This record gives sequence, C-alpha cells and structure tokens, in this order.
Amino acid sequence: GAGVSQTPSNKVTEKGKYVELRCDPISGHTALYWYRQSLGQGPEFLIYFQGTGAADDSGLPNDRFFAVRPEGSVSTLKIQRTERGDSAVYLCASSLNPPSVDNEQFFGPGTRLTVL
Amino acid sequence: GNSVTQMEGPVTLSEEAFLTINCTYTATGYPSLFWYVQYPGEGLQLLLKATKADDKGSNKGFEATYRKETTSFHLEKGSVQVSDSAVYFCALSSNTGNQFYFGTGTSLTVIP
Repeated sequence: GAGVSQTPSNKVTEKGKYVELRCDPISGHTALYWYRQSLGQGPEFLIYFQGTGAADDSGLPNDRFFAVRPEGSVSTLKIQRTERGDSAVYLCASSLNPPSVDNEQFFGPGTRLTVL
Repeated sequence: GNSVTQMEGPVTLSEEAFLTINCTYTATGYPSLFWYVQYPGEGLQLLLKATKADDKGSNKGFEATYRKETTSFHLEKGSVQVSDSAVYFCALSSNTGNQFYFGTGTSLTVIP
C-alpha cells in the first residue's frame, strides 16, 4: 500500500515569507507526527496529532510554527515569517494506533525547505 | 531527560567486513530502543527494535541488544554488503511513545 507522502519535496523561499508543507499519512493511521532534521543532525520532534487534535506540540520552536489536521488525515505544517535558520528537512510520520512505548512510526521522504 | 548519542561517521568498510555502530542513551523510565535506516533518496525505515532490557532486535542480518547496565544499543552485522550503504539512526521513544529521540546518524559506505 501507499506510504506516507509529503509535498512539495523541495521548497525554496525568501526570508520573511510564509510556507505550508503538506503530509498525507498512511490511510487509517490515527497518529501523525512532524519532525525537523537539520543538516548533520537526527530528526527532532515538533508536534504530534491524535486524530484532529494536537496532543503534544512541545517541540514547536516558537509561535511562527503552527500545524493543523482538520479532518484527522492530511496535515499541514505552516511557518510564518520564515528565517534562514528554518532551513531543514521536515519529516512527517504516522502510526496506526495512539502511541505506545514500542509503537512503530512510518516516515515520509520529507520536504527540504531552503530559506534564502 | 532523554537523549541518544551514536558514533560519528562516516564509516567506510569493504564488503563482507564486520560492522559495529555504537549507540548509548539517557532516558527517564523504560524506553524502547530503535534503529532506523535511511537509504539514499528514501525516507527513514525501521530496521529493528527492542522493547525491554536484554531484548535483541534483529532484521536483515543486523542485530542490537538492549543493555540497561551500560545504557547501550549497539548495531552489529557480521558481513556487510554494498546494499547496506545508508545512514543509520539510533532512537528511543519517550515514556508516552509519542516522541522519538534520535541520534545524529552514522553514514555507512560499503565498497566492493
């Protein structure tokens, strides 16, 4: 079956602009996660959705970052007033059930964001 | 808090060589431990996992043992292949399971 998909695969924008990154999770997966991976680093947790609600947004770096999942499937990560430091690969993952300690998350290929 | 430290790369090995990638962790509670692999141009894929102390995860000839006494989860493979060339990430899950904490990744290149 189809895996997690993310669009666009690459996004180049200018400092100060607004961007939206989209994630399509695996069909039927109730949990959805966003991570940010900077160059040479491992992914860092941003936010987790269970259904439509953000159950844990403790990883969002500041109020310029916001994410929604209005129908409990597709999610959009929104970044306002982008800064050069926001340049990274943004990863989305989904899992079948609410998280448990041994839950497997399935990752998408990521969106590479470059802020000039 | 939770964190993962893994050996820095890049690592270059000849085909059929023995592989070890070290991973140690700091965690509150009793996390599960994971190795994820990222092949060129692809997304992260789960390679193996272990959910409690002394468990051994294994897959595709790779294995790792959850060592609570040394807080380690080293990845090993007895004979690597060119197709194993990828970036390997060690990770642990939070007590609630909704957050993963990843190491910085180790790039492996296997040459024929």
